[in-house]
Amino acid sequence: DQQVKQNSPSLSVQEGRISILNCDYTNSMFDYFLWYKKYPAEGPTFLISISSIKDKNEDGRFTVFLNKSAKHLSLHIVPSQPGDSAVYFCAASGGSNYKLTFGKGTLLTVNP
Amino acid sequence: EAGVVQSPRYKIIEKKQPVAFWCNPISGHNTLYWYRQNLGQGPELLIRYENEEAVDDSQLPKDRFSAERLKGVDSTLKIQPAELGDSAVYLCASSRITNSDEQYFGPGTRLTVT
Repeated sequence: DQQVKQNSPSLSVQEGRISILNCDYTNSMFDYFLWYKKYPAEGPTFLISISSIKDKNEDGRFTVFLNKSAKHLSLHIVPSQPGDSAVYFCAASGGSNYKLTFGKGTLLTVNP
Repeated sequence: EAGVVQSPRYKIIEKKQPVAFWCNPISGHNTLYWYRQNLGQGPELLIRYENEEAVDDSQLPKDRFSAERLKGVDSTLKIQPAELGDSAVYLCASSRITNSDEQYFGPGTRLTVT
């Protein structure tokens, strides 16, 4: 049972426009959410996170929004740059268990 | 600061053969994680160490997989014997403490079992 779902395997946007990556979760115990970025042949790198006590967290061009009632979060990248092209993983953890549960990832392609 | 080091980067073996992966975490990081990432999937935790103690190995297939972290620094993950379904990327990560957002991943070892 997939507890963290990224339903869009891929997304293509033009440079300078907004990229919106979506993630849904089913486990109500999750209270911490993270986005990781992964380039080919490299390990995932931490991008941004959000606690369930917040509904928004911003870091430069990256903003994560959390809608707890809908069990949905999204990552906004504005403006998108070609160097943002990568696979983006949504991950979640909950309670005293620091185990991260990852989604399947979304491949973002930013076209020049 | 050097990142998480893993070796080998790639490994091709025949089924039923043994294989081992090595990980050296970031200096000073007490927590070490091994993940498996199947094609088209996100990473899945196999085992987590705090220093030399395995504190979460519930997802480790113990019939064929084993891991150790002697002296609480580098770690080895072993598969014996390997099966076709073990083909995946094996990722090692470390963190200073057990803290979700501070996991630093290595580049992974891509295992192909033929």
